[in-house]
Amino acid sequence: SQQGEEDPQALSIQEGENATMNCSYKTSINNLQWYRQNSGRGLVHLILIRSNEREKHSGRLRVTLDTSKKSSSLLITASRAADTASYFCATILINPSGSARQLTFGSGTQLTVLP
Amino acid sequence: DGGITQSPKYLFRKEGQNVTLSCEQNLNHDAMYWYRQDPGQGLRLIYYSQIVNDFQKGDIAEGYSVSREKKESFPLTVTSAQKNPTAFYLCASSPGLADYNEQFFGPGTRLTVL
Repeated sequence: SQQGEEDPQALSIQEGENATMNCSYKTSINNLQWYRQNSGRGLVHLILIRSNEREKHSGRLRVTLDTSKKSSSLLITASRAADTASYFCATILINPSGSARQLTFGSGTQLTVLP
Repeated sequence: DGGITQSPKYLFRKEGQNVTLSCEQNLNHDAMYWYRQDPGQGLRLIYYSQIVNDFQKGDIAEGYSVSREKKESFPLTVTSAQKNPTAFYLCASSPGLADYNEQFFGPGTRLTVL
């Protein structure tokens, strides 16, 4: 089941511009994670934001979380050609007993940064 | 990809054959996972394991089997019962199954059924 869904599906920008990707999810979460995947490679963890946090920064990355709207955004500032990749949000699907169950991924945003 | 290795990188299989994908980690992680990724799609969980000799089905376990005899290893067998096995397979691990843990991914194995 798809818990998180990214928007847009594809984004193309010029080097130096900012890139914003959004993620919406359906159920309550304890945290939300963002991952990056270069073409044909494994995923790399970028940042984790907990449900009691509203904003988090890591280098050129800024993540926001709005639990009332069940949405998150990932902002990459001053983008570089090397940022070209797919970006996924992931949340933990909580089972009815309340214990953590599994990490579920959206279908991703394909970001292309043109030099 | 640090700490997790998957082999081979590319794998070709004839219809009707079983094939085993390798996943090894040296991160001393308790939890390990197998995901399947189809073109332009996100990841779907096949199986996961919290501890040695224990594993649980994910969302798409049919046609797959796993074992967890050692902490470091979590091999995935794609059986002939899997109807559409051609995909990119990713293995991951995390310190535990708790929901605050990030997952560390291997480089993936691309399986093609001929």
